[in-house]
Amino acid sequence: DIQMTQSPSSLSASVGDRVTITCRASQGINNYLAWFQQKPGKAPKSLIYAASGLQTGVPSKFSGSGSGTDFSLTISSLQPEDFATYYCQQYISYPFTFGPGTKVDIK
Amino acid sequence: EVRLVESGGGLVQPGGSLRLSCAASGFMFSSYWMHWVRQVPGKGLVWVSRINSDGTSTSYADSVKGRFTISRDNAKNTLHLQVNSLRAEDTAVYYCVRDRGWIQQWRVGMDVWGQGTTVIVSS
Repeated sequence: DIQMTQSPSSLSASVGDRVTITCRASQGINNYLAWFQQKPGKAPKSLIYAASGLQTGVPSKFSGSGSGTDFSLTISSLQPEDFATYYCQQYISYPFTFGPGTKVDIK
Repeated sequence: EVRLVESGGGLVQPGGSLRLSCAASGFMFSSYWMHWVRQVPGKGLVWVSRINSDGTSTSYADSVKGRFTISRDNAKNTLHLQVNSLRAEDTAVYYCVRDRGWIQQWRVGMDVWGQGTTVIVSS
């Protein structure tokens, strides 16, 4: 199975900050990498596909980059609604695997 | 509006069974692969199973293989997950997720999530 790691596991940031979360795969996954946002008590929401593609309706303040084993998700200007947990996921091979999550909370 | 609504969760004793369902609406269900993903409260997301658009191909996580069965009824726009021989570690919220497939040359993967149904395995 492909193992996914994320860093940091949590971070505190202020409204307006630029935030970057990194994700690493245990082996190359080309660009078969997705990012999801989850707020407490809610279902995950899909943000990014193919490492850098924005899902329909996702604001452009979210951006993704990377290929191979190293990826990142950037939020350009953090807003109150962005405080949540973010997960990366590889979908190049089964079992699809998720990173452990990065919790973004208010400083 | 694209919508996925899960049902069928509940409290069940170890060794018991449940049939989870996911009602799809707002899109051509029969054209999409579908997944089940679960999450223990307070923990991370875990992929469970997937099925192709016509139901002829399935995949499972090792932890559920031989105990869970994914299926679909395209005439009723419904996805199912039969969960048997339940264990305490199967306690989780189970999400139904659509797989968007391909957009041009890009593999999109999971895009729409249901709200989840909760399974609690306890005596």
